Amino acid sequence: GAVVSQHPSRVICKSGTSVKIECRSLDFQATTMFWYRQFPKQSLMLMATSNEGSKATYEQGVEKDKFLINHASLTLSTLTVTSAHPEDSSFYICSATDSGRVPGELFFGEGSRLTVL
Amino acid sequence: GQNIDQPTEMTATEGAIVQINCTYQTSGFNGLFWYQQHAGEAPTFLSYNVLDGLEEKGRFSSFLSRSKGYSYLLLKELQMKDSASYLCAVQTGANNLFFGTGTRLTVIP
Repeated sequence: GAVVSQHPSRVICKSGTSVKIECRSLDFQATTMFWYRQFPKQSLMLMATSNEGSKATYEQGVEKDKFLINHASLTLSTLTVTSAHPEDSSFYICSATDSGRVPGELFFGEGSRLTVL
Repeated sequence: GQNIDQPTEMTATEGAIVQINCTYQTSGFNGLFWYQQHAGEAPTFLSYNVLDGLEEKGRFSSFLSRSKGYSYLLLKELQMKDSASYLCAVQTGANNLFFGTGTRLTVIP
């Protein structure tokens, strides 16, 4: 099936630093990728929709200056958490659609667990 | 706004059948998905319904009633490995998926 790879899987950083998470579609081109955040024992919350070659669309309540999204190619989107704080500690998951399959079916990356000290 | 409700937790016995319900009220509907998520892992796709009725795939079946804003996931012949969270998600736009809070299923011997 379609494969989405996410890196790093785990990252620990100090408060105030920035962290970049990469999301790659390995065997298909993804014009649209999605970034979700999941706190413990909660469901996935959509943060933003990343469109190749254009600005990301952020969900209400998500700070676009804090969560920088870049979708420079059809196979790569990055999420940068700037000036991270302990409350940003969460599980971040990217996903993408493969238009050749079930319409709207999302393929998820492995997720990145961010811990901010 | 979007509202998707599922029971928080369920417990069932190995070999039995369990039904996980999902009700939704969303602005827009382009389909309903069920995902399985093991702790600390990304969700994996289980099923997709866009028309009313039952979709069967092996031990898993999913039902949709659009007029009632209701879906269920049916798991048969439960196995211990089926212990996981089951997420109901509604596609509201071209690709947007909104997730319910998930149902944590525990399968006991």
